[in-house]
Amino acid sequence: AQSVTQLDSQVPVFEEAPVELRCNYSSSVSVYLFWYVQYPNQGLQLLLKYLSGSTLVESINGFEAEFNKSQTSFHLRKPSVHISDTAEYFCAVSGLAAGNKLTFGGGTRVLVKP
Amino acid sequence: DTAVSQTPKYLVTQMGNDKSIKCEQNLGHDTMYWYKQDSKKFLKIMFSYNNKELIINETVPNRFSPKSPDKAHLNLHINSLELGDSAVYFCASSPSRDRGLFFGQGTRLTVV
Repeated sequence: AQSVTQLDSQVPVFEEAPVELRCNYSSSVSVYLFWYVQYPNQGLQLLLKYLSGSTLVESINGFEAEFNKSQTSFHLRKPSVHISDTAEYFCAVSGLAAGNKLTFGGGTRVLVKP
Repeated sequence: DTAVSQTPKYLVTQMGNDKSIKCEQNLGHDTMYWYKQDSKKFLKIMFSYNNKELIINETVPNRFSPKSPDKAHLNLHINSLELGDSAVYFCASSPSRDRGLFFGQGTRLTVV
């Protein structure tokens, strides 16, 4: 079984300030890790993912996440947020084996203030 | 050219009714899913089909029945709707586990 914990349900942040969203996972097997973003009244979109190799992964819109195996974490960061980054962010984990499902954390709402 | 499309986007219905939500993907993916998002934004998988075969069936009331006529379609039929069924239901598809999921826009179901 696997589980994902997002430690912050809501993160208010001022425009152009940095933000970090924390994600910890639990799994007995090797995993793939994902961050998804959900803008208001929309479906989820893949933001970035970790499969293997370099532990630091980046998205095209300035987000990055670092996989830390010893701490079983996959925290998401952005050095300078925009108003348009206001959204719900979900961390998710999937085992590598066939039949493994994608398990989501509870989500973190980022509210960017001007 | 919508990748994963769901209909309807909004559904308001009375308790006890039967309703269906349709999902279609034009991405050529073999695997499709139904997820339920509750009022607190928590996402829970309900079902998964791989090439029309049911591979994941979570603990969901048997009032919920998925149907996959072909690998591009996965519909969700709900019998005897209850107030607690109110949620946003998301359809998703995936080519493989390392590619993640591609989500539809969601169907907001409100049972009154």
